[in-house]
Amino acid sequence: GAGVSQSPRYKVAKRGQDVALRCDPISGHVSLFWYQQALGQGPEFLTYFQNEAQLDKSGLPSDRFFAERPEGSVSTLKIQRTQQEDSAVYLCASSLRTSGNTDTQYFGPGTRLTVL
Amino acid sequence: DAKTTQPTSMDCAEGRAANLPCNHSTISGNEYVYWYRQIHSQGPQYIIHGLKNNETNEMASLIITEDRKSSTLILPHATLRDTAVYYCIAGPSGGGADGLTFGKGTHLIIQP
Repeated sequence: GAGVSQSPRYKVAKRGQDVALRCDPISGHVSLFWYQQALGQGPEFLTYFQNEAQLDKSGLPSDRFFAERPEGSVSTLKIQRTQQEDSAVYLCASSLRTSGNTDTQYFGPGTRLTVL
Repeated sequence: DAKTTQPTSMDCAEGRAANLPCNHSTISGNEYVYWYRQIHSQGPQYIIHGLKNNETNEMASLIITEDRKSSTLILPHATLRDTAVYYCIAGPSGGGADGLTFGKGTHLIIQP
């Protein structure tokens, strides 16, 4: 079946531009996560949605980062006024159930963002 | 989440068992041990998880010490496609719906 998809796969932005990254989770998955992965590092948690509710945004590095999931399925991560330090791979993951259950997170291929 | 410590890199011959160690000495009683791997240019892929007992699935086996301070992921017959970065994560009981705390992982290289 279809897995988690992300678009675009690659994005180049000039410093100061706004970008929007899209995530299509597996159909029916309640939970959705965004992670940021810098070169040579492991992924770092950014934010978590349960359906349309953003329950944890503790990992967002600044107020330039904003995520939404208005209908509880597709999610968008928006970065305003991009900076060079925002260059990274942005990973989206989804899981079937909610907190309190041990459940697998399924990851998309990621969007590689390069800020010039 | 408890901190985990893994070797930076390991080599293993194709067809042999790959044994990847992980230390998690500060793990709490309700935290699970999860293993994910990330093949180059792909997103992480779930492998296995466990709490106290050893676990086995079609991909791997997970051996957790009795004191739960360390564990070993075993790939029984490594192939070239198993070359990847392997992450050991000690996470909350709601690991499926809580953000995972990845470290730097172990870069496993399978040699032909």
